[in-house]
Amino acid sequence: DAKTTQPPSMDCAEGRAANLPCNHSTISGNEYVYWYRQIHSQGPQYIIHGLKNNETNEMASLIITEDRKSSTLILPHATLRDTAVYYCIVRVAADLSGAGSYQLTFGKGTKLSVIP
Amino acid sequence: EPEVTQTPSHQVTQMGQEVILRCVPISNHLYFYWYRQILGQKVEFLVSFYNNEISEKSEIFDDQFSVERPDGSNFTLKIRSTKLEDSAMYFCASRPGPNYGYTFGSGTRLTVV
Repeated sequence: DAKTTQPPSMDCAEGRAANLPCNHSTISGNEYVYWYRQIHSQGPQYIIHGLKNNETNEMASLIITEDRKSSTLILPHATLRDTAVYYCIVRVAADLSGAGSYQLTFGKGTKLSVIP
Repeated sequence: EPEVTQTPSHQVTQMGQEVILRCVPISNHLYFYWYRQILGQKVEFLVSFYNNEISEKSEIFDDQFSVERPDGSNFTLKIRSTKLEDSAMYFCASRPGPNYGYTFGSGTRLTVV
């Protein structure tokens, strides 16, 4: 799986958009970009994932550059409860037979602090 | 919203003892996982389980570890003879298919004394 690079920490004012960058310059064509977060010592929480197109769900938006070498996770209106470590993970797709890589490789992520 | 349930939330055991960590994945999910996180360190993959067998395991998952899905609902991780360095948060996860996000449980904190 491709390696990712994230800033170790970021601050964001409550109510403002939080934009978390991730570089994955060695990503290959069949690798997805996944975002997870971990609040304190809780289990990681899935946020969003995408392959080529930008994606949006109720939690966040994912913007992937055209060359797919980087992406940005956007939390549109950050709240104090969004304070967490955010992980950008690139992973090969598994085929429908179940073969292929299943595991997620977590790095150190970005510690996002939302400030009142 | 469906959850992955883990029990117990905290377990203290003596070195050398066997422990079983229990997980109830989401009912229609097909892929099951165990991860662990030593305090202050990264989340590490242990094992994945699909179609009633282990599909992948890490170097951490040695002969002291085993997994089972005994009854179609529970998914257990057994550590046969615990060591001090096994102290960690253990997270169970599941997902419905290969290209879906994982749902993690809230974890079991294992303390080996």
